[in-house]
Amino acid sequence: AQSVTQLDSQVPVFEEAPVELRCNYSSSVSVYLFWYVQYPNQGLQLLLKYLSGSTLVESINGFEAEFNKSQTSFHLRKPSVHISDTAEYFCAVRPGGAGNKLTFGGGTRVLVKP
Amino acid sequence: DAGVIQSPRHEVTEMGQEVTLRCKPISGHNSLFWYRQTMMRGLELLIYFNNNVPIDDSGMPEDRFSAKMPNASFSTLKIQPSEPRDSAVYFCASSSTGSGAYEQYFGPGTRLTVT
Repeated sequence: AQSVTQLDSQVPVFEEAPVELRCNYSSSVSVYLFWYVQYPNQGLQLLLKYLSGSTLVESINGFEAEFNKSQTSFHLRKPSVHISDTAEYFCAVRPGGAGNKLTFGGGTRVLVKP
Repeated sequence: DAGVIQSPRHEVTEMGQEVTLRCKPISGHNSLFWYRQTMMRGLELLIYFNNNVPIDDSGMPEDRFSAKMPNASFSTLKIQPSEPRDSAVYFCASSSTGSGAYEQYFGPGTRLTVT
C-alpha cells in the first residue's frame, strides 16, 4: 500500500518570495507522482506529474517539482509566488503497476500575502 | 471538452431526507471516482468504478451511502437517510486507463449541507 505525507498543513508566504511544499511518499513499488491544486471553491486541477525520465518536471505557471527516489520525495517549488497562487496543494501517488487509484496527501494551504 | 460535470452544485436538505448527487464523466474516460472533502478528514475516496463496475467501495462510510454507474456517461451517489455529519463537498473525478498515467480530472464538486 502507498501513503503520502505532506509535512506542512499551512504555508504563509509573501508575494514574490519563493515557496517549497514538501511531499514524501512510501511505496513498495514504483510510482507515478502528481501535484494537484485546488483554488477556493473549486475542484482539484492537475498541476504537474512525474511519470519517468527527467526527475525535474515543470508546470506552465512556474511551479516545478523534483522526484528524488532515494529520499522518496516529490517536493514542489516556485521561485516567486503571486497572490493568485493562494490555494491548497495536494501531492498524490499512483502505483506503477495495475490499478488506477490515487493516494492523496493531506494537502498544504498556501496563503500568499501582499 | 466540457470536463467532468456534477449536479447539483449546492444542495441543502434536512436530516432524514434522501440526497442524490450526479456525475457525468469526461467522454471516453472509463474510470470514475467519488470523493468527499471535509475540513476534519480532508479528501477521502469513497468508491471507484472501472468500465462501470465498482472496484473498491471500502471508503463508503456506511450502508446509508450507495453509488451506481448504469452506463459510461453517468453515475450517482445516494445518501439515504442523510445526517448532519454528511455535510461536505463531494467530488467526482474521471480518468482513462488508456492514457498511461491515469491522472484524474475532477468536477467542480457538490456542496452538501444537511441541517
